[in-house]
Amino acid sequence: DVKVTQSSRYLVKRTGEKVFLECVQDMDHENMFWYRQDPGLGLRLIYFSYDVKMKEKGDIPEGYSVSREKKERFSLILESASTNQTSMYLCASRPGQANEKLFFGSGTQLSVL
Amino acid sequence: AQSVSQHNHHVILSEAASLELGCNYSYGGTVNLFWYVQYPGQHLQLLLKYFSGDPLVKGIKGFEAEFIKSKFSFNLRKPSVQWSDTAEYFCAVKPNQAGTALIFGKGTTLSVSS
Repeated sequence: DVKVTQSSRYLVKRTGEKVFLECVQDMDHENMFWYRQDPGLGLRLIYFSYDVKMKEKGDIPEGYSVSREKKERFSLILESASTNQTSMYLCASRPGQANEKLFFGSGTQLSVL
Repeated sequence: AQSVSQHNHHVILSEAASLELGCNYSYGGTVNLFWYVQYPGQHLQLLLKYFSGDPLVKGIKGFEAEFIKSKFSFNLRKPSVQWSDTAEYFCAVKPNQAGTALIFGKGTTLSVSS
C-alpha cells in the first residue's frame, strides 16, 4: 500500500515564525501536491510538483514556498506564518498518469497564534 | 481558471433514502473526474473515477456517478444510504492537459440519521 507520511499531525506556531511541513511518499510517485482544507472552502491547491526540483503554483501560493530536492520528499514552507494560515494541510502524491487517483497523507493541523 | 461547483453544502437524509450530490465543472476540454470521500477523522479516499468510456461509473460501497458532457456534470448517486455513509464528499476535476493538477469542489457534508 502506498504510504504518504506527513511529519506532524498537530503543530502550533507563533506569528512570524518560519514553518516547515514535510511530506514523504514511498511509492516512487512523480507527482506531489500540497492542499489546505478549510471548512466550507474544500481543498485548495497551494503548490504541486511533477518532478524533482520542479514546482508549479496552485490556486493560493501566496505566503508559501515549496522544495522538492528528492523525488520522495515534498516540503511546504511558510516563510513568515500568519494567523490566516491556520488550517489543515494535506499532502498527496500520484503516479505520472493523469487518471490515477491521489494518495493522501493524514494531514497536519497547523495553528498559528 | 477551472472551477468545480458542488451544489449542496450540507445534506441530511434518513437511512434508506436515495442520494444525489451535484457537481459541475468549468473546463472546455477533456477531463478526468473523481469523487473522494472523507469519513470523520480519516484520510480522503477515492470513491470512483471517470476518464473515458461508459459515462456511468460504479465505485465502492454502492456509489455511482454519471458524466454528462453536455452539462459539464458528474453527479454522485446512491439508491439507499446507510448511517455509515455520513461523511464529507468532494468532487474533483483534472483537465487532461500537461501541467495541471486536481481541482476540488468545496465539499458536501452528508449526515445520515438512523
